[in-house]
Amino acid sequence: DAKTTQPNSMESNEEEPVHLPCNHSTISGTDYIHWYRQLPSQGPEYVIHGLTSNVNNRMASLAIAEDRKSSTLILHRATLRDAAVYYCILRDSDNAGNMLTFGGGTRLMVKP
Amino acid sequence: DTGVSQNPRHKITKRGQNVTFRCDPISEHNRLYWYRQTLGQGPEFLTYFQNEAQLEKSRLLSDRFSAERPKGSFSTLEIQRTEQGDSAMYLCASSLVQGIFSGYTFGSGTRLTVV
Repeated sequence: DAKTTQPNSMESNEEEPVHLPCNHSTISGTDYIHWYRQLPSQGPEYVIHGLTSNVNNRMASLAIAEDRKSSTLILHRATLRDAAVYYCILRDSDNAGNMLTFGGGTRLMVKP
Repeated sequence: DTGVSQNPRHKITKRGQNVTFRCDPISEHNRLYWYRQTLGQGPEFLTYFQNEAQLEKSRLLSDRFSAERPKGSFSTLEIQRTEQGDSAMYLCASSLVQGIFSGYTFGSGTRLTVV
């Protein structure tokens, strides 16, 4: 799977929007962009995924650049419960095992 | 169904002992994955099953590690002759692969400490 690059950490204020960036300049045409987050002492939790078009769900929005070399996870209104490590992962749709390869992620800190 | 269940949550063992962890996936999920996570790092893939068949093993999975998924339901991960370097969080995840992949559901993990 192609590699992603994320900032090690970011800070946000409670009730403000958060934009978490991810660069994936070597993305291939069959790679889906997945986001997971991991709260303290928990396993990772699926957030959202997409291929080319922007995606919205109840947790977040995913904005994908037109050239697909970068994407941004948007939390519309951060809460203290959103403090977690956020992982941006590329998964090749042709990967028979569907394995996810995690990087270091971005640790999001939310200030009250 | 309450999600992916892992037992025990914590395990402390002496070096050289054997340990076994259990994972109960979401019942209709046909794929089951094991990952290992050390402090400050992202999870690392160990192995996965489709139903009862173990289809891939990472190079991280040394001969001391063995995983089973009898009857395609729960899975066990055994570590023989534990070493201090085995101390980590062991995570299990499951997914349903039918057409479009929709994501994994992870358990809360088993934290292993080898002393």
